[in-house]
Amino acid sequence: DVKVTQSSRYLVKRTGEKVFLECVQDMDHENMFWYRQDPGLGLRLIYFSYDVKMKEKGDIPEGYSVSREKKERFSLILESASTNQTSMYLCASSLLRGFADSPLHFGNGTRLTVT
Amino acid sequence: GESVGLHLPTLSVQEGDNSIINCAYSNSASDYFIWYKQESGKGPQFIIDIRSNMDKRQGQRVTVLLNKTVKHLSLQIAATQPGDSAVYFCAERLNRDDKIIFGKGTRLHILP
Repeated sequence: DVKVTQSSRYLVKRTGEKVFLECVQDMDHENMFWYRQDPGLGLRLIYFSYDVKMKEKGDIPEGYSVSREKKERFSLILESASTNQTSMYLCASSLLRGFADSPLHFGNGTRLTVT
Repeated sequence: GESVGLHLPTLSVQEGDNSIINCAYSNSASDYFIWYKQESGKGPQFIIDIRSNMDKRQGQRVTVLLNKTVKHLSLQIAATQPGDSAVYFCAERLNRDDKIIFGKGTRLHILP
């Protein structure tokens, strides 16, 4: 089974802090993704990556950046956390490059609260 | 707005009965569809997928049906069990170069 591991289940940070969310997958998948999930809004794509050191903006990249230095690891960075970034953050990976017929496999999420 | 939606936000089913969760999509060019299950406190879990050149696909206790004429997708769960209680999402992909869009989900309640 694919395993996508997010380093923290719960995080509480203060407004203005720099926040790092880490994600690791163990199946040599090409693609990695960061989503946020909010009630009534569903899953929204923040950033994704097809390859090491490569990144693409999703639908809501503002206020976020990402880093992919190794194939198995994809980090989401909140440069200066704000209260509207309080959310559930989900990392996912998929096998094939691009959006080929390959389902996303998700981690269990990091619930971030910004106070 | 969302191109993938659901007919019902909540569905209650008697344990042992079959469940049918429906999903409508608006774009006839979508070519790949996925169903996910999300239990409380967990990330979405892949259940089954189907390509647009198929109209039915079966897995273990689950069947996905695709009706391209009316742009409708459904997930059938046979002999529903308490462990099936979750939110179910459908997702679609417009084409191979496009990202996957998720619906907002249907919560499945299992009645004893």
